[in-house]
Amino acid sequence: EVQLVESGGSLVQPGGSLKLSCVASGFTFSNYWLDWVRQTPGKSLEWIGEINTDGSKTNYAPSIKDRFTISRDNAKSTLYLQMSNVKSDDTAIYYCTRYYGYIDYWGQGVMVTVSS
Amino acid sequence: DIQMTQSPASLSASLGETVSIECLPSEGISNDLAWYQQKSGKSPQLLIYAASRLQDGVPSRFSGSGSGTRYSLKISGMQREDEADYFCQQSYKYPYTFGAGTKLELK
Repeated sequence: EVQLVESGGSLVQPGGSLKLSCVASGFTFSNYWLDWVRQTPGKSLEWIGEINTDGSKTNYAPSIKDRFTISRDNAKSTLYLQMSNVKSDDTAIYYCTRYYGYIDYWGQGVMVTVSS
Repeated sequence: DIQMTQSPASLSASLGETVSIECLPSEGISNDLAWYQQKSGKSPQLLIYAASRLQDGVPSRFSGSGSGTRYSLKISGMQREDEADYFCQQSYKYPYTFGAGTKLELK
C-alpha cells in the first residue's frame, strides 16, 4: 500500500523558516517524481513544485520560487520542503504527492500557519 | 499560467441522478487532465487521468471526456458517498494548475 506521511507543520512567524518532511512507503521511492501541493483555508489547491527521481532537477511555481526548496533522500525514502521567508499567504495544508504523469497518491497533509 | 475554469462551483443532486462538472483550460492541454475527489477532512483522491482513463478501484459510474479546451467529469447515478469536492488539474505545462473546485451535495 502506498503511503506518504508528512510531518513538520507548525505555527511560524512571517519571515521565518520551516522544513517539512514526507516519508514514503509501499513503492520504490527512487523511481518516482514527487510533488508538493498546498490547499489554502478557502480550499483552493496550488501546485508548489516537483523533483525528479534522483533529485537533480526541480521545477517550482512562480509564487514560491526562490523561497522554497524541494529535495529528497532516496536512501531514507524521504521528501523535503524547505520554506524560507514565509508569508501569511503561505498558510495552508501542505500535501506530499507522487507524480506519474499525473498525481496518483496524496499524503494526509500537514498544516502550516504563518502568523505573528 | 494556464487558467482552469471549473463549473459549477456547487451543485446538489438526488440519489441516482446524473451530474456533470466542466473544466475549461485557457489553452489546449492535450488531454493532460486529471480529476480528483476530496471528501470532507480527507486528502484528494485520483478519479480520472489523461482526461478519460479511470483510476484503478474507482467506480465505473465516474467517467471523463473532452479534448482541447473543454473537459468534463460525469457521475452516472449519484450515490451518497459521492458527496464531496471535485477538482480538475492540468499537467501539460508548468506551473501545473487546478480548477477552483465543485462542491457536490446530496439533495
